[in-house]
Amino acid sequence: AQKVTQAQTEISVVEKEDVTLDCVYETRDTTYYLFWYKQPPSGELVFLIRRNSFDEQNEISGRYSWNFQKSTSSFNFTITASQVVDSAVYFCALRGITGNQFYFGTGTSLTVIP
Amino acid sequence: DTEVTQTPKHLVMGMTNKKSLKCEQHMGHRAMYWYKQKAKKPPELMFVYSYEKLSINESVPSRFSPECPNSSLLNLHLHALQPEDSALYLCASSPPFDYKNRETQYFGPGTRLLVL
Repeated sequence: AQKVTQAQTEISVVEKEDVTLDCVYETRDTTYYLFWYKQPPSGELVFLIRRNSFDEQNEISGRYSWNFQKSTSSFNFTITASQVVDSAVYFCALRGITGNQFYFGTGTSLTVIP
Repeated sequence: DTEVTQTPKHLVMGMTNKKSLKCEQHMGHRAMYWYKQKAKKPPELMFVYSYEKLSINESVPSRFSPECPNSSLLNLHLHALQPEDSALYLCASSPPFDYKNRETQYFGPGTRLLVL
């Protein structure tokens, strides 16, 4: 079975603080793909990152960084020096090696207070 | 360019109306998806088209009827909807198998549907 858990339902931080969004996944596939999407109030799901299960190298893109740890089945997302524009719902998702289906977590609503 | 477009952005319809949602992409993607998203919930998969053929139907009621006229266009025909069908309807597409990022889904801005 495929499952993604985002235990943090809502997070509020003050602007310029760092914040980490947690994502824990379950899968029996040996090859799989993990994703993070951002959904601002406008509604569009914006693709942020894709990670293969065989590539555990962490990634940094500007103020965003991702920490993938297979040993703990986690794929956490950190925003450094948060800004008001980071306020959105963030979804972690998992896809197995077969089929097209995504398994989404329940999302974390991030509010950055000016 | 990773743009998926959807029209209309907003739609209000009565329970006896017939309407259609449209989704378009010109990225050469060969898989296209319809999702339904209720407030404060993750997207729920409704249909998947792969190479213009319906490959997944997640037990969606027949009042929702998908159509894929060509590789760039995906429609969702709506008929006799219920108020509980009010939601954000998202379209997505993903690249062919031999493309980079083939597993990634790229989403459109969605259509906010209100059924009265």
